[in-house]
Amino acid sequence: AQKVTQAQTEISVVEKEDVTLDCVYETRDTTYYLFWYKQPPSGELVFLIRRNSFDEQNEISGRYSWNFQKSTSSFNFTITASQVVDSAVYFCALSEAGFYNQGGKLIFGQGTELSVKP
Amino acid sequence: DAGVTQSPTHLIKTRGQHVTLRCSPISGHKSVSWYQQVLGQGPQFIFQYYEKEERGRGNFPDRFSARQFPNYSSELNVNALLLGDSALYLCASSLAFMTGGYTEAFFGQGTRLTVV
Repeated sequence: AQKVTQAQTEISVVEKEDVTLDCVYETRDTTYYLFWYKQPPSGELVFLIRRNSFDEQNEISGRYSWNFQKSTSSFNFTITASQVVDSAVYFCALSEAGFYNQGGKLIFGQGTELSVKP
Repeated sequence: DAGVTQSPTHLIKTRGQHVTLRCSPISGHKSVSWYQQVLGQGPQFIFQYYEKEERGRGNFPDRFSARQFPNYSSELNVNALLLGDSALYLCASSLAFMTGGYTEAFFGQGTRLTVV
């Protein structure tokens, strides 16, 4: 069975602090995709990053960075020098590869609500 | 370019009623998926449609149904509404290439359904 666990329900930091959001996943597939989405109060899920299971290279995009470790089934997300605008709920998600599952079923974690205070 | 659009944005229904939610995908996207997000939880997959055919179904009762039209827009129907159906219903669209690769799912802002 596939499962995504985000153990941190809520995190509160002060602006400019670094913060790491944890994500642990379970899957029996050898080919899969991992995602992070941001959900502001408006409700729309905003795509942040996709990683496939064959690419363990870490990625940095501005203040955002992602650490993918297959050995521990983790895909953690770090925000450096957090800002108030980063306040949102962040979701980690997993998708199995499949002929018809192109952009289809995503398994989401419970989400981590990040609050960045000025 | 317009993103994924959903209508209505908010809806209040009474238990036992029926509801239809609508989704227009990004132009050129042929795959539409529906998700239910109960307050405080992550989205749960309901359906995926590609080229007007159901390609995937989540663990939801038969009261939930959907369809995709020739223009790739989609409707989600829920019959005999229960209080527990109150949630944010999200639609996602993707290009859905059939040969390898993966295409991101882009989400709409959702329809917030309240059942009273």
